[in-house]
Amino acid sequence: DQQVKQNSPSLSVQEGRISILNCDYTNSMFDYFLWYKKYPAEGPTFLISISSIKDKNEDGRFTVFLNKSAKHLSLHIVPSQPGDSAVYFCAASAQAGGTSYGKLTFGQGTILTVHP
Amino acid sequence: NAGVTQTPKFRVLKTGQSMTLLCAQDMNHEYMYWYRQDPGMGLRLIHYSVGEGTTAKGEVPDGYNVSRLKKQNFLLGLESAAPSQTSVYFCASTEHKTNTEAFFGQGTRLTVV
Repeated sequence: DQQVKQNSPSLSVQEGRISILNCDYTNSMFDYFLWYKKYPAEGPTFLISISSIKDKNEDGRFTVFLNKSAKHLSLHIVPSQPGDSAVYFCAASAQAGGTSYGKLTFGQGTILTVHP
Repeated sequence: NAGVTQTPKFRVLKTGQSMTLLCAQDMNHEYMYWYRQDPGMGLRLIHYSVGEGTTAKGEVPDGYNVSRLKKQNFLLGLESAAPSQTSVYFCASTEHKTNTEAFFGQGTRLTVV
């Protein structure tokens, strides 16, 4: 039972354009969402997060949008750069109640390729 | 600042052999985790620890054991390796509070033949 799904295995965009990566979740208890970026032969690195009390969070070229009613979040990268080429993982946690202990449920990942 | 360090980076085991993966963090984090990454599956939680001397099962704990004898170290053991345990293993740590991101190690690529 995949509670966090990234239905697009890969995405290819041109440098300077917008990249939009999507993520859907099924567990209503999830209230904190994160995006991680992973280069080959490296561990995932934190990119941006959003709490369920917000619907948008920005950090430079990266913006995450959360639609709680649709149980959907997206990561926008504007403008995309070749160095953004990596695997992007969506992750979710159920923070309320204090029993999640930081455990994360990950999506399958989306391979982003930004062409010069 | 090393962050989270995993040892070894690569290993090939024969079926039935045992091994221990070591994770060390220098950020004084309370919580530590072991995940495995398989193609098309994302990362799945094996075991985790909420403090020195504590461990708990995650989503896919079978075939693995863990120990957290020191706060900075989290060990993952395979008592009798199976080909199904061929995977990339990631250790992570996070502070003892909500809404904080986890920091990951560089991964251990394990092949069981």
